[in-house]
Amino acid sequence: EAGVTQFPSHSVIEKGQTVTLRCDPISGHDNLYWYRRVMGKEIKFLLHFVKESKQDESGMPNNRFLAERTGGTYSTLKVQPAELEDSGVYFCASSLRTSGVPGNEQFFGPGTRLTVL
Amino acid sequence: AQSVAQPEDQVNVAEGNPLTVKCTYSVSGNPYLFWYVQYPNRGLQFLLKYITGDNLVKGSYGFEAEFNKSQTSFHLKKPSALVSDSALYFCAVRDREAAGNKLTFGGGTRVLVKP
Repeated sequence: EAGVTQFPSHSVIEKGQTVTLRCDPISGHDNLYWYRRVMGKEIKFLLHFVKESKQDESGMPNNRFLAERTGGTYSTLKVQPAELEDSGVYFCASSLRTSGVPGNEQFFGPGTRLTVL
Repeated sequence: AQSVAQPEDQVNVAEGNPLTVKCTYSVSGNPYLFWYVQYPNRGLQFLLKYITGDNLVKGSYGFEAEFNKSQTSFHLKKPSALVSDSALYFCAVRDREAAGNKLTFGGGTRVLVKP
């Protein structure tokens, strides 16, 4: 079974440019999450999709970040325009539907390392 | 609000010696607790979780963790460390009474196992 995949693995852009990150979850996982780790600090939650709906976007830092999950399959995270402080590693994770099943672990992708110059 | 503390940035241990990585947490309700490991140039790999029941949880690669409610801790342990255990370890918590599934992570502990 394929794991969570993310593209690209690395991205280097200049301040003010736009970048789009892509995540393909494990097939059949309704839940999809975005997290990021900035400057070697804690991994912080950004948002959570259940299928195509945003369940929780409380971690999105500002309106320069836009996440979509068309058709409830893959997801994209767009940063427009990028700022220096957006540099970090962006992780995507997925998990099975949680209804009636407590504490499902989340399976993480390898991350996209974003560098904004 | 929920939070996780991993008090050690780095743990050094000789191969064959016991390994402990510390984690304490804070949640409003009862916790689900997780350990993940990140090897160089790889994503986070799930190691083990505490949901309910037995406080001692066994996971992948010979790791185990003990849930201690009174001390709000969930330390990761391995009786005999291997050089290949050198990696970055993250503890995470989720409040089972809170809406949503978001995980709150600690800052990570780098483990270096020397031959």
